[in-house]
Amino acid sequence: KAGVTQTPRYLIKTRGQQVTLSCSPISGHRSVSWYQQTPGQGLQFLFEYFSETQRNKGNFPGRFSGRQFSNSRSEMNVSTLELGDSALYLCASSARSSSGNTIYFGEGSWLTVV
Amino acid sequence: AQSVTQLDSHVSVSEGTPVLLRCNYSSSYSPSLFWYVQHPNKGLQLLLKYTSAATLVKGINGFEAEFKKSETSFHLTKPSAHMSDAAEYFCVVSATGNQFYFGTGTSLTVIP
Repeated sequence: KAGVTQTPRYLIKTRGQQVTLSCSPISGHRSVSWYQQTPGQGLQFLFEYFSETQRNKGNFPGRFSGRQFSNSRSEMNVSTLELGDSALYLCASSARSSSGNTIYFGEGSWLTVV
Repeated sequence: AQSVTQLDSHVSVSEGTPVLLRCNYSSSYSPSLFWYVQHPNKGLQLLLKYTSAATLVKGINGFEAEFKKSETSFHLTKPSAHMSDAAEYFCVVSATGNQFYFGTGTSLTVIP
């Protein structure tokens, strides 16, 4: 079974631009969540989608948004990029099982804002 | 409320010696607990998980963790460190099944 796939893996954007990151979950997983990882702040939860609906949201400004499609693929968008948005963005998917939910991560998308 | 505290931000061991990475948790419910490993420039990989079955959980690469409810701990151990174990390790708790709370990570250095 293929793992969580994130694209693009690396990208460089200019301050003020916007960026869209894509995530394909493990087949059969309906929950997709996004995290931002930086050296200073560690891992921070952005939001979680389940069946095309945002179910949970972290404490990030409205510039950060996401969506999920009917095939469970998800995208996140960051508008009006700031230098501080430079980070590793991780996507994770999960599915309910008899032993509880477990999240599985993709390799991440490295965003550099210059 | 749920939270995780990783007691050491950095741990350094010599190759071939035991590894102990400490994690305490707080949860209002019976939690699921996880350990993930992150190698440089990589995503997080699941090492092991506890979900109220056996309290001693065996994971990949020789790692194991013991759930101790009385101590609210879920420490990660390995009998003999290998150079390839050098990475960042995250302890994670979840009680509701769809919200996961991460510790701040422990950086493991293995000295040859």
